[in-house]
Amino acid sequence: AQRVTQPEKLLSVFKGAPVELKCNYSYSGSPELFWYVQYSRQRLQLLLRHISRESIKGFTADLNKGETSFHLKKPFAQEEDSAMYYCALSGTTGNQFYFGTGTSLTVIP
Amino acid sequence: NAGVMQNPRHLVRRRGQEARLRCSPMKGHSHVYWYRQLPEEGLKFMVYLQKENIIDESGMPKERFSAEFPKEGPSILRIQQVVRGDSAAYFCASSPWTLGNEQFFGPGTRLTVL
Repeated sequence: AQRVTQPEKLLSVFKGAPVELKCNYSYSGSPELFWYVQYSRQRLQLLLRHISRESIKGFTADLNKGETSFHLKKPFAQEEDSAMYYCALSGTTGNQFYFGTGTSLTVIP
Repeated sequence: NAGVMQNPRHLVRRRGQEARLRCSPMKGHSHVYWYRQLPEEGLKFMVYLQKENIIDESGMPKERFSAEFPKEGPSILRIQQVVRGDSAAYFCASSPWTLGNEQFFGPGTRLTVL
């Protein structure tokens, strides 16, 4: 069963425009949700996790249990935000991780 | 802490050969995960291991692929009799024992099958 869904494979926005990368999940129980980012020619790295409730590089993500969503948002996109973004879920049993298929964000100057 | 190490970074094999990909987790991490990233596609889970145990191999192809994480030494992802469709980037990640922890990724091994 697909645990994490990222409906947009590609997303382009203009510099300075708001950006939202969608993520929906399916999991019984209380999962932990993460956003990972992969910049060009770099390794995948954690961007943020829902339990920390912090803003990283201007990005925020709110866990909406009713809608089972964890969308990533930034009010003003920057060129350096262009990257591949992965939503991920950690289950409460077995320490397993499920990644979405990723969204490639391009910020147009 | 050196971070997750993977070697080789690039590996070229001819069809029918074996590919061995190595992953050294971060110090103190006993959980290792392998992922495959096919060209133009996202990250796909392959296998999750702890020391000397395979916990979840639901993402591994049924044939030719195997993984191990011995008591000593790195985790190994082995692909026997490689085919062109195996060409991909293979990423390893590690995490500490605590449930729900962040995964730390290696730089990946890019496998090219000629």
